[in-house]
Amino acid sequence: ETGVTQTPRHLVMGMTNKKSLKCEQHLGHNAMYWYKQSAKKPLELMFVYNFKEQTENNSVPSRFSPECPNSSHLFLHLHTLQPEDSALYLCASALGRAHGYTFGSGTRLTVV
Amino acid sequence: EDKVVQSPLSLVVHEGDTVTLNCSYEVTNFRSLLWYKQEKKAPTFLFMLTSSGIEKKSGRLSSILDKKELFSILNITATQTGDSAIYLCAVGETSGSRLTFGEGTQLTVNP
Repeated sequence: ETGVTQTPRHLVMGMTNKKSLKCEQHLGHNAMYWYKQSAKKPLELMFVYNFKEQTENNSVPSRFSPECPNSSHLFLHLHTLQPEDSALYLCASALGRAHGYTFGSGTRLTVV
Repeated sequence: EDKVVQSPLSLVVHEGDTVTLNCSYEVTNFRSLLWYKQEKKAPTFLFMLTSSGIEKKSGRLSSILDKKELFSILNITATQTGDSAIYLCAVGETSGSRLTFGEGTQLTVNP
């Protein structure tokens, strides 16, 4: 375990469903991130939160809605997704700019 | 736009071989370059490089950065089957805390 916990590990959802991904860290990190990893593509940054304030939204469609209630928890709310949204969604946390990320194990999302 | 390019994209070797993975980058305000190993899901941190010419070493793995030529290499000596993974290179900027990732190199080490 890395110290960053993501649930669920796997999720299959229909295009009309609403679901949420959860990420939790108790490492004392102040920055949290959502990344999307698709086959044969680099990790794509989706959202950045610093001290629970959103500091970056990388032109992500509105069907993805992040929520950061505190520095330890990060959610990604999903609704009316498309099949091309199927991917591995990785959460990461970091202790400021000078440090590398600690990643969670990801949620493997399949949209049917 | 920031860009990180890794090569080769995939590599198959035999146990005991030495491999060199490459990472080149174009970043406006470079702060650091990081290497990660991704076996199943969670990428795990290997190295962070900020200064040119200083080799970082951990067991059979080592890495060096060239800020003039804008690239880094990751060397793995005496490879083992447990080294099979995707190796990710990422670059951080001085502004903000985001990392820009390359596509990764899929390394397969056969017994």
